[in-house]
Amino acid sequence: IAGITQAPTSQILAAGRRMTLRCTQDMRHNAMYWYRQDLGLGLRLIHYSNTAGTTGKGEVPDGYSVSRANTDDFPLTLASAVPSQTSVYFCASSEGGLAGGHTGELFFGEGSRLTVL
Amino acid sequence: GENVEQHPSTLSVQEGDSAVIKCTYSDSASNYFPWYKQELGKRPQLIIDIRSNVGEKKDQRIAVTLNKTAKHFSLHITETQPEDSAVYFCAPRESGAGSYQLTFGKGTKLSVIP
Repeated sequence: IAGITQAPTSQILAAGRRMTLRCTQDMRHNAMYWYRQDLGLGLRLIHYSNTAGTTGKGEVPDGYSVSRANTDDFPLTLASAVPSQTSVYFCASSEGGLAGGHTGELFFGEGSRLTVL
Repeated sequence: GENVEQHPSTLSVQEGDSAVIKCTYSDSASNYFPWYKQELGKRPQLIIDIRSNVGEKKDQRIAVTLNKTAKHFSLHITETQPEDSAVYFCAPRESGAGSYQLTFGKGTKLSVIP
């Protein structure tokens, strides 16, 4: 089934540990994003990538890093997890910018629930 | 960056009544206005969107209206049903800017009472 896949779906992690959330899409979308969702705060952008080889910082990038070695994969790494990073993380993709006839629709993965103790 | 606010934050309606959620934004360059629906425990999904060259768009029971001068757009749901219960997010953006920093509103939790 075409779409966007995240792994793991759920993880409990000790503070100080390193963790990578995986995200893969098979829609050949240029743009990819990582959001965190916390109750009452909506969806906040962590990092994004316009196209393979480029990344940018979103609203809440501290403590997170990303890479975009190819079109399909966009992993999110927590170098040293802290309890405030307990959240639900959503990866998303879109065709690209709205110019050139692209739709603006974001396609989301099913989310990764991360608990940092 | 874009400052996005949604009102109300929570909304309860009787089944069959209408619901309206308003989204205000700050960036006058925004020209794409989507609404996403997130059911409990699920991922957000686009339900309707509008571009700034159009004032209103309808899709069955849902519609979006845009007031670019006042910088707000609204989601209208008519004849609400229990399956409309969800959190709704707006995410206005500017096209063609090369910027992909989409800012979502904080969401509106809609409860439809049977």
